[in-house]
Amino acid sequence: GAGVSQSPSNKVTEKGKDVELRCDPISGHTALYWYRQSLGQGLEFLIYFQGNSAPDKSGLPSDRFSAERTGGSVSTLTIQRTQQEDSAVYLCASSQTGGLQPQHFGDGTRLSIL
Amino acid sequence: DQQVKQNSPSLSVQEGRISILNCDYTNSMFDYFLWYKKYPAEGPTFLISISSIKDKNEDGRFTVFLNKSAKHLSLHIVPSQPGDSAVYFCAASGGKTSYDKVIFGPGTSLSVIP
Repeated sequence: GAGVSQSPSNKVTEKGKDVELRCDPISGHTALYWYRQSLGQGLEFLIYFQGNSAPDKSGLPSDRFSAERTGGSVSTLTIQRTQQEDSAVYLCASSQTGGLQPQHFGDGTRLSIL
Repeated sequence: DQQVKQNSPSLSVQEGRISILNCDYTNSMFDYFLWYKKYPAEGPTFLISISSIKDKNEDGRFTVFLNKSAKHLSLHIVPSQPGDSAVYFCAASGGKTSYDKVIFGPGTSLSVIP
């Protein structure tokens, strides 16, 4: 489709395992964002990629979290040694050029840590 | 410290009436504001935005009002329709945070009763 695609849509894993979440942005969009929404909370900024610039990682909650964006397109968010507090919906968004352009969101990955 | 606040977690309105969703912000450097709408199990979708050089922006049934001196904005939906039932997120950007780091509020869940 033409929208932002995220996979998997749901992920259940045991505490201590590593997980990888994938985001396929809209083709041609240079800006890509990751957010986290915990139960009853708003969207928490995690990381932002813009073109070939160094990503803004200021929202990553700990060094267990990392993200890559290969070839300026697909992005993966990796959480190592997962903890129960990592349980949340992880949302990816892209925009045409960043800045004032509206962000287009995927449907998210619901992550549950047992 | 929440920089964008939506103090009403939920709101119920009769179909055909006006829905007013409120948002307050604390960072006086913010100068661009957005509203997103989110249905369950879907990502947020952009609704409407306003720059601080304006105090009102209208798009069909949706109008956003900005009161800079009070650091307050509101989204008016008139007439409200059952399909408007969703969670509405207020978001802000600009100033030191740059336009790429959008700060979201916790959301207000709107129910429009037929």
